[in-house]
Amino acid sequence: DTGVSQDPRHKITKRGQNVTFRCDPISEHNRLYWYRQTLGQGPEFLTYFQNEAQLEKSRLLSDRFSAERPKGSFSTLEIQRTEQGDSAMYLCASSLGEWAGEDTEAFFGQGTRLTVV
Amino acid sequence: AQKVTQAQTEISVVEKEDVTLDCVYETRDTTYYLFWYKQPPSGELVFLIRRNSFDEQNEISGRYSWNFQKSTSSFNFTITASQVVDSAVYFCALSTYYGGSQGNLIFGKGTKLSVKP
Repeated sequence: DTGVSQDPRHKITKRGQNVTFRCDPISEHNRLYWYRQTLGQGPEFLTYFQNEAQLEKSRLLSDRFSAERPKGSFSTLEIQRTEQGDSAMYLCASSLGEWAGEDTEAFFGQGTRLTVV
Repeated sequence: AQKVTQAQTEISVVEKEDVTLDCVYETRDTTYYLFWYKQPPSGELVFLIRRNSFDEQNEISGRYSWNFQKSTSSFNFTITASQVVDSAVYFCALSTYYGGSQGNLIFGKGTKLSVKP
């Protein structure tokens, strides 16, 4: 098992463009999380999936953001009409079990660093 | 509301010194989990420890030790005989079930530890 994989590692885009990130969780992990981390801050929760169902979305996740996990395996996070304020590290994590704290910890990927110019 | 406070923004020590990273949390839930993660310059969050709210035993793992005190809502992390490889940003995080989302992690802002040779 190679852990949680995220692609791309870095993305530079012009303001107004759409971007899509991919996350491949650890196999058999049924929970998948997206977090955003800005410079000097801790990660902030965006959304999570239990298998293919998106069970919760943070208010940080504006209508320009959409996440999918179509087959309960990999997930994509799309940002439409990017703004400079979207510049951040986008982290994906996965865990086994219904509650990240109960059964096991969440394992994080190395993140996708987005720069909007 | 749930909150994690890491009052120390940056700490600098000389190799072989002991260092304690402070973490204070807030939650009204009686069932919760506390975590410490390490984020090296590569960006990936590395899990260090999980502690549930019913287990106040301190834990030691090699040069790392954790002190959980419910009376002061603190979960402090001590590195004994620090090494240059310990240089990283360390995050304390809280996971609850009822008060917050179902298991998403609430992170502090992190403490940047620099260990100089």
